[in-house]
Amino acid sequence: DVKVTQSSRYLVKRTGEKVFLECVQDMDHENMFWYRQDPGLGLRLIYFSYDVKMKEKGDIPEGYSVSREKKERFSLILESASTNQTSMYLCASSPGTVSSYNEQFFGPGTRLTVL
Amino acid sequence: AQTVTQSQPEMSVQEAETVTLSCTYDTSESDYYLFWYKQPPSRQMILVIRQEAYKQQNATENRFSVNFQKAAKSFSLKISDSQLGDAAMYFCAYRTYGGSQGNLIFGKGTKLSVKP
Repeated sequence: DVKVTQSSRYLVKRTGEKVFLECVQDMDHENMFWYRQDPGLGLRLIYFSYDVKMKEKGDIPEGYSVSREKKERFSLILESASTNQTSMYLCASSPGTVSSYNEQFFGPGTRLTVL
Repeated sequence: AQTVTQSQPEMSVQEAETVTLSCTYDTSESDYYLFWYKQPPSRQMILVIRQEAYKQQNATENRFSVNFQKAAKSFSLKISDSQLGDAAMYFCAYRTYGGSQGNLIFGKGTKLSVKP
C-alpha cells in the first residue's frame, strides 16, 4: 500500500516563527503536492513538485516555500508564520506516468494553529 | 481555467437509503479525468471512484456509482445502501488528460451525514 506520512498531526506555533512541515512517501512517486484545506473553501494547491529540486507554484503560494532535496520527501516552509495560515495542511503524491490516472495519495494532514 | 462546483455543502441520508451528491465542472477540454474523494472525520482522504471523460460508460465501485453527463458537464456520485461509515466529506476533482504532473482541481466539498 502507498503510504504518505506527515511529520505532525497537530502543531501550534507563534506568529513570526519559521515552520517546517514534512511529508514522506514510500512509493517512489515523482509528483508531490501541498494543499491547504479550509472549511467552505475545499482544497487549494500551494506548491507541487514533479521531480527532485523542481517546484511549481500552485494557486496560493504567497507566504510559503518548499524544498525537495530527495525524491521521497517534500517540505513546506512558512518563513514567518501568520495567524491567517492557521489551517489543515495536506500532502499528496502521485506517480509520474503519462496517460495513467495519476491518482493522488494523501497523507493524514497537519492541523497548524498559529497564535 | 477549469472550475469544479459542488452546490450542496451538506447532505443527510438515512442508513440503507440512497443519496446522490452533485458536481458540475467547467472546462474547454475534451479529454480529462474526474474523481470523487472521501475524507472521513480525522482520517485520510481516499479515492472513491474515477472516470475518464472519453468513456461513455459510468464508473461503478461496489455501492458507489457515478452519473457522468459530459455535455452537461455533470459528474454526480450515487451511494447506494448507505452505511454509517459513509459519513464523510466528499470532494469532486478534475484533472486534465495527458501530462504527468497530475494537478487536481477540487470542489469545495459536501459533508455527508448518515442517520441510523
